[in-house]
Amino acid sequence: GQNIDQPTEMTATEGAIVQINCTYQTSGFNGLFWYQQHAGEAPTFLSYNVLDGLEEKGRFSSFLSRSKGYSYLLLKELQMKDSASYLCAVRDSNYQLIWGAGTKLIIKP
Amino acid sequence: DAMVIQNPRYQVTQFGKPVTLSCSQTLNHNVMYWYQQKSSQAPKLLFHYYDKDFNNEADTPDNFQSRRPNTSFCFLDIRSPGLGDAAMYLCATSREAGGGETQYFGPGTRLLVL
Repeated sequence: GQNIDQPTEMTATEGAIVQINCTYQTSGFNGLFWYQQHAGEAPTFLSYNVLDGLEEKGRFSSFLSRSKGYSYLLLKELQMKDSASYLCAVRDSNYQLIWGAGTKLIIKP
Repeated sequence: DAMVIQNPRYQVTQFGKPVTLSCSQTLNHNVMYWYQQKSSQAPKLLFHYYDKDFNNEADTPDNFQSRRPNTSFCFLDIRSPGLGDAAMYLCATSREAGGGETQYFGPGTRLLVL
């Protein structure tokens, strides 16, 4: 079966750095997405990785290792508004998007 | 602004009473998706349209149907809602279906079944 694993919940302090990990086992790989979802709202696109390495976009960076089936999302200079769930999703060989259940990030002052 | 719009944002229905959720998009994207998402769970793809071609997920119950009368609109019909169908229903679009195509989501419709 296909599987995406993320921690259920993480807590971090305002101004700090947090890394949210995602591991995946899918039938094929055609890219990995990170989405942010605030409570009661729709997911919004953060990043896309298809090649190994780090993609940086402002305070957010996403890393991919295809050989390890592993990605992480790095959030720097955390702000209270970053409190949300972060969903990892992988596009498989059939171009289906397989979603993780998300990591709920709690930011404390 | 180009966007994905869902109406209503909140829908209350009675057990067994048919309900229709609507989605429209001004992005002129080819692909439209319907997801069901329950609290703290991953979005579950129900079906998607590539243009007028309908693609049903194998495990989507027959109770769920969809219509896409034109490029801009897509509807989700729940013929006989059960208590287990209470969830957030998300509509999404993408320009194409593969590779690095990003899916853009509407704000969702939260369905409550009494």
